Parts: sequence; structure tokens; C-alpha cells
Amino acid sequence: QVQLQQSGAELAKPGSSVKISCKASGYTFTSYDISWIKQTTGQGLEYIGYINTGSGGTYYNEKFKGKATLTVDKSSSTAFMQLSSLTPEDTAVYYCARGGYYSGFDYWGQGVMVTVSS
Amino acid sequence: DIQMTQSPASLSASLGETVTIECRASEDIYNGLAWYQQKPGKSPQLLIYNANSLHTGVPSRFSGSGSGTQYSLKINSLQSEDVASYFCQQYYNYPPTFGGGTKLELK
Repeated sequence: QVQLQQSGAELAKPGSSVKISCKASGYTFTSYDISWIKQTTGQGLEYIGYINTGSGGTYYNEKFKGKATLTVDKSSSTAFMQLSSLTPEDTAVYYCARGGYYSGFDYWGQGVMVTVSS
Repeated sequence: DIQMTQSPASLSASLGETVTIECRASEDIYNGLAWYQQKPGKSPQLLIYNANSLHTGVPSRFSGSGSGTQYSLKINSLQSEDVASYFCQQYYNYPPTFGGGTKLELK
């Protein structure tokens, strides 16, 4: 069955970076793009961007350019998102999901809680 | 960005009742719309895509309809396991954007 397994919760200091992972299984990894979505109580769900898992090509929501960097390791069927220059406003649950900006997201990871606090 | 406005923000209904949630887009999204269900502490799960197509494994009591800027999700014969938050999402235009959500509770 299709699964997206994300890494564990992160506690980070303001100004630092975190890198979270999303390991796919149960399907051909390079046949589907992986998107990343941010969820907060205040702002709801926000689309960060996606990565073409075959080519490594990326598309970012303008709002997250410079904040998020998406990469992929085809050998391990894993997608990564690095968040840099963290501020308290980056505190959120971050999901990876299968699909690109042109579709609904049919499978989601379990989410990673990132807490930014001094 | 296309704005997605969902209503109501919260809803209380009885078991067996039919429930309808609305989503309005700030411009025509040509049926590029998905609906998700999210239970507390869990990730969203796809229910409907292309405005009216049921995702694999989703019970047939869920249905989607609409066109242009107005879309709706209907749940027939509400079950206890349907208590959740529901979100719409447009993917016609980049970036994809989500509605603010509807929290469905049992009366």
C-alpha cells in the first residue's frame, strides 16, 4: 500500500534550519511528484511547493521562496524539505503529499511538528 | 492567488442526517477542486477530486458537485466516523489554495 513516512518532530532555535524527510513506499517513486504543505491553526493549510521526483525540478509558492528548499534522493525514494532562517512563524505541522500543483493530493504523510522557540 | 471561502466554519448535525458544505472560489476554477477530511491529530485524506469524482475507497455517502466558482460536498446519512474537519482545495491555478475548513460535530 502507498505510504509516506515522515521524520520526527523538531524543536529548533530561531535563525537555525531543519531538514525533514518523507520516505515513500508502495509505488514507483519517480512516477509521482511530491508536494509539501504547511498547516497552522491560524493560517490553515498553505501550499509550499513540489518536486518532480524524476528530474528533481522544483516549483515553489512565492511565499516560501527562500524559506523552503526541496530535494529528492531517488535511490532511497525519499523527498526532503529544508526550512531555513527559522522564526516562530514557521512553527507548524508540515506534510508531504503525493501529487503536484495540478491535482489533488491522494496520499499524505503523517506530518512533522516543527516548533521554533528560543 | 485564488481565494477559497468555505461555509459554514462549523456545523452540528445528527446521525443519519444529510450535511452539505459549500466552497466558493474567487474566480472560475473549472472543476479543479478537491475535498479532504481531516480527523484530529491525523493528516488530511482525499475524498473527492475534479469536483465530483470519488477517491478510491471513499464511502459512496460522500459526493461532490458544482461548477464555476461554487462547489459543495454532501454527506448522506451522517455516521459517527464522519466527525472531522473538511477542507476544499483548488488546483486549477498555481499555487493551489485551500479553504479555511469546516468542523463537523455530532448534535
